[in-house]
Amino acid sequence: DVKVTQSSRYLVKRTGEKVFLECVQDMDHENMFWYRQDPGLGLRLIYFSYDVKMKEKGDIPEGYSVSREKKERFSLILESASTNQTSMYLCASSQVGGSTEAFFGQGTRLTVV
Amino acid sequence: RKEVEQDPGPFNVPEGATVAFNCTYSNSASQSFFWYRQDCRKEPKLLMSVYSSGNEDGRFTAQLNRASQYISLLIRDSKLSDSATYLCVVGVYYGGSQGNLIFGKGTKLSVKP
Repeated sequence: DVKVTQSSRYLVKRTGEKVFLECVQDMDHENMFWYRQDPGLGLRLIYFSYDVKMKEKGDIPEGYSVSREKKERFSLILESASTNQTSMYLCASSQVGGSTEAFFGQGTRLTVV
Repeated sequence: RKEVEQDPGPFNVPEGATVAFNCTYSNSASQSFFWYRQDCRKEPKLLMSVYSSGNEDGRFTAQLNRASQYISLLIRDSKLSDSATYLCVVGVYYGGSQGNLIFGKGTKLSVKP
């Protein structure tokens, strides 16, 4: 059974903290993605990566960075968390970006206070 | 113009009804098309891919019109368990294994007894 695992289901952080969201996939997929999902705005792409150490900005990269040191792991970093980054964060992976099914993790509900 | 636009919903229908979701996309370079389903507080999961010739999976029928850049999903004989948010998804492929998925905001369906 394919699996994308996000490190935390719920997270509460303080404004200004550096936050790490971790995602691991066990399918040997080339592509990994970070989205955030907000009511009325749908899923918006933050960053994606098509190979180890490679990254591309999505639609809303400001305030975020990513790291992909190993193929199976893709980390999202909030350099200095702000309240407007309170959201549901979803990680996904796919074999061929844009052409094949994307598998999602269960999501991390991040609250910044 | 938003890249992927869907009916805003919500759709409230009785069991047994036929319901249709429509979606338009703006990027003519889009090459892959999907419908995803997202249950409340869960991650999105692939419902079905959409092919140019149209395709059917049980009670679900998907259609694609590339000339009009239009995608549809028809659910026949709707069940209570069909209640979810349906996401129209368009894939853009850049070459190699690179590409990403662009999500519509989703349409919420509630099937009532």
